[in-house]
Amino acid sequence: SYVLIQPPSVSVAPGQTATITCGGRYFGSRSVHWYQQKPGQAPVLVVYDDWGRPSGIPERFSGSNSGNTATLTISRVEAGDEADYYCQVWDSSILHYVFGSGTKVSVL
Amino acid sequence: DEQLVASGGGPVKPGGSLRLSCAASGFTLTNYSLNWFRQAPGKGLEWVASITSDSRYIYYADSVKGRFTISRDNAKKSLYLQMNSLRAEDTAVYYCARVLERNWYFDLWGRGTLVIVSS
Repeated sequence: SYVLIQPPSVSVAPGQTATITCGGRYFGSRSVHWYQQKPGQAPVLVVYDDWGRPSGIPERFSGSNSGNTATLTISRVEAGDEADYYCQVWDSSILHYVFGSGTKVSVL
Repeated sequence: DEQLVASGGGPVKPGGSLRLSCAASGFTLTNYSLNWFRQAPGKGLEWVASITSDSRYIYYADSVKGRFTISRDNAKKSLYLQMNSLRAEDTAVYYCARVLERNWYFDLWGRGTLVIVSS
């Protein structure tokens, strides 16, 4: 089955850029999606299909998918961006949705 | 407003059963597959089960296959998860979420409901 590897934590100063990676084999053939989850709340979709941005999500959130690594980039980080972030794919070989282990973004 | 609201959680003994519900409002349910997820305390997200808009295709995570049953009633705008033979490791907040047909991401999530399996 598919395994998605994320760094456990990322720390960033306000106004700087946070980069969260998600590693997996054969990423090039799969679209990657990203979710933000704040404590006690349900996840929120922030990037879909590698780089799409849902309505209402700030332009500061962007995504890319290159080779075996997908990346979520948060530019001009704000205190309100502090949350857990998860990547996700659909594994069509086993008909399962798969999530990464999650990355906690801390704003210094 | 488009909304999903999960309910039905609570305490249950190991080996017991529980039925979760998820009520949808503000959108056309038949355009979407529906899904259950869970998140154990302090842990990450885990997909549990999916059901297509017409209930024709159903998929389960290996961890719940044979014990959990997902179903939906489009007329009642509701999604269900029947959970049997519950184990301590099923303790989690359970969320419902939708996927627009022919897409593979969850664009709307409901507030979760907590299931605690303990003797």
